[in-house]
Amino acid sequence: DGGITQSPKYLFRKEGQNVTLSCEQNLNHDAMYWYRQDPGQGLRLIYYSQIVNDFQKGDIAEGYSVSREKKESFPLTVTSAQKNPTAFYLCASSIRPQGRETQYFGPGTRLLVL
Amino acid sequence: QQQVKQSPQSLIVQKGGIPIINCAYENTAFDYFPWYQQFPGKGPALLIAIRPDVSEKKEGRFTISFNKSAKQFSLHIMDSQPGDSATYFCAAREGNSWGKLQFGSGTQVVVTP
Repeated sequence: DGGITQSPKYLFRKEGQNVTLSCEQNLNHDAMYWYRQDPGQGLRLIYYSQIVNDFQKGDIAEGYSVSREKKESFPLTVTSAQKNPTAFYLCASSIRPQGRETQYFGPGTRLLVL
Repeated sequence: QQQVKQSPQSLIVQKGGIPIINCAYENTAFDYFPWYQQFPGKGPALLIAIRPDVSEKKEGRFTISFNKSAKQFSLHIMDSQPGDSATYFCAAREGNSWGKLQFGSGTQVVVTP
């Protein structure tokens, strides 16, 4: 089965703690993306990566970090600098970063603050 | 500032009705307009997409109408079913860009039996 997997489904963060959200795809897609979803605000882009070992900031990158060491993996770390991390986080991928390529989304991780 | 404005925020229709969701934009560099459907607790999935050189596109019971001069586009769900109850997002992307999507704020559609 080809697709995007995200884990965990739910994640709890304590004050001052960094947490890492996993995103893996077996679609052989070059481009990968992280979005944050808040009620009534649609999806906002956090980071994107067009190719391995390269990534760029999106609209709301502050307090987040990513890495892209492998084509199939694009983990997102929510750092302690992100003061309002409670949200639904979505990972997506597309065959190529340019043009009208469809973005396929994973099932999401819900992050909650204790 | 949201580059794609979507309305209404929510909508309730009876089975068989036609929910209509509207989106508007200002950036004339946008040249690709997808709609995504999202069920609770799941990631969005591409439903249908349109380019600005086409005024209407149909896929099954879903139709996009596009008005380039007004910079508006809308989604119609014909003969709606309770299984269509979901949140719908419009989006737009600039041509010749690396592919960044600008999303609307979403519309929660409830279709009652």
